[in-house]
Amino acid sequence: QTVVTQEPSLTVSPGGTVTLTCASSTGAVTSDYHPNWFQQQPGQAPRALIYSTSNRQSWTPARFSGSLLGGKAALTLSGVQPEDEADYYCLLYYRAAQLWVFGGGTKLTVL
Amino acid sequence: EVQLVESGGGLVQPGGSLRLSCAASGFTFSSSWMHWVRQAPGKGLVWVSRIKTDGTTTYYADSVKGRFTISRDNAKNTLYLQMSSLRGEDTAVYYCVRAEVTGTGMVNVGYWGQGTLVTVSS
Repeated sequence: QTVVTQEPSLTVSPGGTVTLTCASSTGAVTSDYHPNWFQQQPGQAPRALIYSTSNRQSWTPARFSGSLLGGKAALTLSGVQPEDEADYYCLLYYRAAQLWVFGGGTKLTVL
Repeated sequence: EVQLVESGGGLVQPGGSLRLSCAASGFTFSSSWMHWVRQAPGKGLVWVSRIKTDGTTTYYADSVKGRFTISRDNAKNTLYLQMSSLRGEDTAVYYCVRAEVTGTGMVNVGYWGQGTLVTVSS
């Protein structure tokens, strides 16, 4: 069974920088996995942030950036705002199995 | 404006069936792969199923294979999820999601509906 792993929780100070990562149990994450990132506020539907590793949605603030880092997909928030406190999920595409798998999510606290 | 509006959720007994619908507007529905994603109360997101633009190819998570059927009606711009043999662990908010393959081959899972709640309980 394929597992995608994210940090369960992270804390960052307002104005700080934090990096969330997304690892695959099958090995290194590459651009072929088309990593997508989503933000979910309490009681709301998820909102797309980043697609195919590093491409921002038209509504995504520039302080959000996506990359590949050390064999993982990564989402970096720079100049964190209080409204960035939320759950963040990554999604990977496993072409060979034709499956999409979400990570378990990271709860980001801005404190 | 892209809109995805789910309906059909509700309370159903274990072993029962339910059909979810997702009305799409604001984009060329027949050109988009479509997905269903679910989220159990207090838990994370789980990919459930996806369907090709013309409806000829479908994929399912192991947890629902053989019990759920995804389909679409491109003439009505509507996506469906037929759920049968429902179990307590199927209790979740079900989201309709649009995926777009860009001209450069990138995959953008960009638009989500607001979700519809399915509760499986006696």
